[in-house]
Amino acid sequence: GQNIDQPTEMTATEGAIVQINCTYQTSGFNGLFWYQQHAGEAPTFLSYNVLDGLEEKGRFSSFLSRSKGYSYLLLKELQMKDSASYLCAVRDRNSGGYQKVTFGTGTKLQVIP
Amino acid sequence: DTAVSQTPKYLVTQMGNDKSIKCEQNLGHDTMYWYKQDSKKFLKIMFSYNNKELIINETVPNRFSPKSPDKAHLNLHINSLELGDSAVYFCASSAGLAGARYEQYFGPGTRLTVT
Repeated sequence: GQNIDQPTEMTATEGAIVQINCTYQTSGFNGLFWYQQHAGEAPTFLSYNVLDGLEEKGRFSSFLSRSKGYSYLLLKELQMKDSASYLCAVRDRNSGGYQKVTFGTGTKLQVIP
Repeated sequence: DTAVSQTPKYLVTQMGNDKSIKCEQNLGHDTMYWYKQDSKKFLKIMFSYNNKELIINETVPNRFSPKSPDKAHLNLHINSLELGDSAVYFCASSAGLAGARYEQYFGPGTRLTVT
């Protein structure tokens, strides 16, 4: 099984930088995803890491350390529209030998003026 | 064009009833999923199909029965609905399972309320 931990809630100021951490414990690791979910909407894909290091995509970056079971999502130049839940998801192999993605409980980010 | 669609968007029904939710994707993906998101917003995998084959069945009561008539469709039938089934159900699809990024594309969700 997997154990994925993220902070439940965070608050940050418009224009600032925020880092959302995710730790996980799993065997057969095969990738980590970050998704964004606005209230009442479906999750949408943000980023993917499978090797150690930083992946940058515009205002969003995601970092992975496989040896530490740790990832973070970095949001720069925060905008009010970034207020949403951010879901960390880990892919690994389940007991049946198939690839499975497990989601964390998500971090609700509130951006304030 | 809608990539992953679900019907209905809202479903209100009484305990004991049987209901179905339909999902269709026009992305040409091989893999489809059903997730349940409860009131605490935890997104939990229920089922996963790859090329119409059931590959993940996550300790879901057998009142829930998925059916994939073809790769583009994955329906969910629920028998004898219970209060605890109230949640948002998301359908998703991905191009594959592993070996590449294969991010998931989610449908808009079906909000099921059992009274």
